[in-house]
Amino acid sequence: GAVVSQHPSRVICKSGTSVKIECRSLDFQATTMFWYRQFPKQSLMLMATSNEGSKATYEQGVEKDKFLINHASLTLSTLTVTSAHPEDSSFYICSASPRAANEQFFGPGTRLTVL
Amino acid sequence: GESVGLHLPTLSVQEGDNSIINCAYSNSASDYFIWYKQESGKGPQFIIDIRSNMDKRQGQRVTVLLNKTVKHLSLQIAATQPGDSAVYFCAENAGGTSYGKLTFGQGTILTVHP
Repeated sequence: GAVVSQHPSRVICKSGTSVKIECRSLDFQATTMFWYRQFPKQSLMLMATSNEGSKATYEQGVEKDKFLINHASLTLSTLTVTSAHPEDSSFYICSASPRAANEQFFGPGTRLTVL
Repeated sequence: GESVGLHLPTLSVQEGDNSIINCAYSNSASDYFIWYKQESGKGPQFIIDIRSNMDKRQGQRVTVLLNKTVKHLSLQIAATQPGDSAVYFCAENAGGTSYGKLTFGQGTILTVHP
């Protein structure tokens, strides 16, 4: 149980285009989902916290207009990287927390490469 | 604090040895801590957690020690196996839950030689 999936697992796009990454909780309802970014050989850095039905809360330094987050249902959150640039190339990881549960489950990550 | 532009510390051990991975945390208000294992190209995998009202917790082949006085956390892996090779991260939460915001530590690369 408590499986989180991400789609796509890898994506390559041209500079200036937008890319959408999906995060799904497959067997539980997640009131809160988190989005992280991880550069090679570095730690995970929280980008934003997403609550179902409300606006996401972004961490300091993360541009909300560039990284659009939508948490429209209890099983799906999406991250859209708008006008992507090569410096946005990174490993994007989501996590989800079930209601009233004391654990955060991580997705397998999405490797974004912007050419 | 954030890990920016730093190379991860590494630990190399022989199969069967015990491994100790250390983590220093910065927020004295943190009261919940988790260790994660991350294999290459994958998301973090939960290993073990500990609350600030404890100083030791044991799982299967793993033990976490917490020293709040010096804000230090360690993960001990007994009889390390090649499958334990991965990057290990500690994470802290000041809200006492794992479904709140987590701050990840720098990470340590563990390599287990057969």
